[in-house]
Amino acid sequence: SAVISQKPSRDICQRGTSLTIQCQVDSQVTMMFWYRQQPGQSLTLIATANQGSEATYESGFVIDKFPISRPNLTFSTLTVSNMSPEDSSIYLCSVRGTGGTEAFFGQGTRLTVV
Amino acid sequence: AQTVTQSQPEMSVQEAETVTLSCTYDTSENNYYLFWYKQPPSRQMILVIRQEAYKQQNATENRFSVNFQKAAKSFSLKISDSQLGDTAMYFCAFMTFGNEKLTFGTGTRLTIIP
Repeated sequence: SAVISQKPSRDICQRGTSLTIQCQVDSQVTMMFWYRQQPGQSLTLIATANQGSEATYESGFVIDKFPISRPNLTFSTLTVSNMSPEDSSIYLCSVRGTGGTEAFFGQGTRLTVV
Repeated sequence: AQTVTQSQPEMSVQEAETVTLSCTYDTSENNYYLFWYKQPPSRQMILVIRQEAYKQQNATENRFSVNFQKAAKSFSLKISDSQLGDTAMYFCAFMTFGNEKLTFGTGTRLTIIP
């Protein structure tokens, strides 16, 4: 299993500003995943973060808007840049357990942009 | 690309009853995994049950079981003896073997009525 600590749990931000979300895992993992969950909707993968290389972004998401850092095997950050109200969502960090197929999730960051 | 469809946006049942949530998916892959995740109001994503496509036997976990029909690309979740704690959003998810990314359905909001 894996325990994920995600910070902050929620924030209210002014439009045009940026917010950095942190994800800390209690074990070393190769890949970390960042998802967005817009209000009342499903989870959409933003990007996959590998340690030592640039993140791989899904269609519709770009590095300038969602820069990601992955400095080591237990930590990653996602920044939501130049925010607008449309960025109001829950952002979740996820990892795969070692040798398993189960995905573990952080508790998410509820972001509201005003 | 894989797609996952959940045709029931909302469902409600009386406590102790049995409820079935539907999920269909589309893929050209032969080796893959299917999952049901639960997201209660706390936002924490919790794995309910998983199914490997190469296994013909349907997975079961206590009160939770699936009906996996590979040819029909159907993967329904049955909850027996439903409890108030089962109230949550339920997401069906798909993962190709060897690819760690999850594709989620749109979710079913399940309410258990006392």
